[in-house]
Amino acid sequence: ETGVTQTPRHLVMGMTNKKSLKCEQHLGHNAMYWYKQSAKKPLELMFVYNFKEQTENNSVPSRFSPECPNSSHLFLHLHTLQPEDSALYLCASSQDTGSRNYGYTFGSGTRLTVV
Amino acid sequence: KNQVEQSPQSLIILEGKNCTLQCNYTVSPFSNLRWYKQDTGRGPVSLTIMTFSENTKSNGRYTATLDADTKQSSLHITASQLSDSASYICVVSASGYSSASKIIFGSGTRLSIRP
Repeated sequence: ETGVTQTPRHLVMGMTNKKSLKCEQHLGHNAMYWYKQSAKKPLELMFVYNFKEQTENNSVPSRFSPECPNSSHLFLHLHTLQPEDSALYLCASSQDTGSRNYGYTFGSGTRLTVV
Repeated sequence: KNQVEQSPQSLIILEGKNCTLQCNYTVSPFSNLRWYKQDTGRGPVSLTIMTFSENTKSNGRYTATLDADTKQSSLHITASQLSDSASYICVVSASGYSSASKIIFGSGTRLSIRP
């Protein structure tokens, strides 16, 4: 394990469902990120939190709603998703967003399938 | 436009053989370049990080090179093993920013090692 834990590992949901992805890090980092990874495409940045405050929202549709109750936990709430939202959702953490080299530590991801 | 292009898209080699993966980038101003290894169903794990002044860096059987003038990097794998089967992702960071959106990911090279 890398120190960043994501649950669930796999999720199948209907387009009318509401579900949440969870990410937890035990590294003492202050920045956490959500990325979307689709087949044969580069990772897409979705949200950035630094010291619990959202600092970046990369034009993500409102059907994705992040929550960061503390520096160790990050959630991604999902509702009324579309089939094209099926992807691997990766959580990452780093010491903070001001670190020049951004030493990311990634979780293993949640494989999401929308049916 | 900041971009990272990787080639080949996929590669199959026999166990024990060497291979080289390529990364070309147009990210400017350049801060650093990382190579990540992503096993199937897992998150990316950092292999090496290179800054402007570094030409070569090794991590076991992995050797990364950087030519900042031509904006090219390569990852050479020596004496490949079955466990090297994975996607290898090149990531370039732009300097002067604290934004995570200035970290540009390539699409990756899918490497398969055959016994």
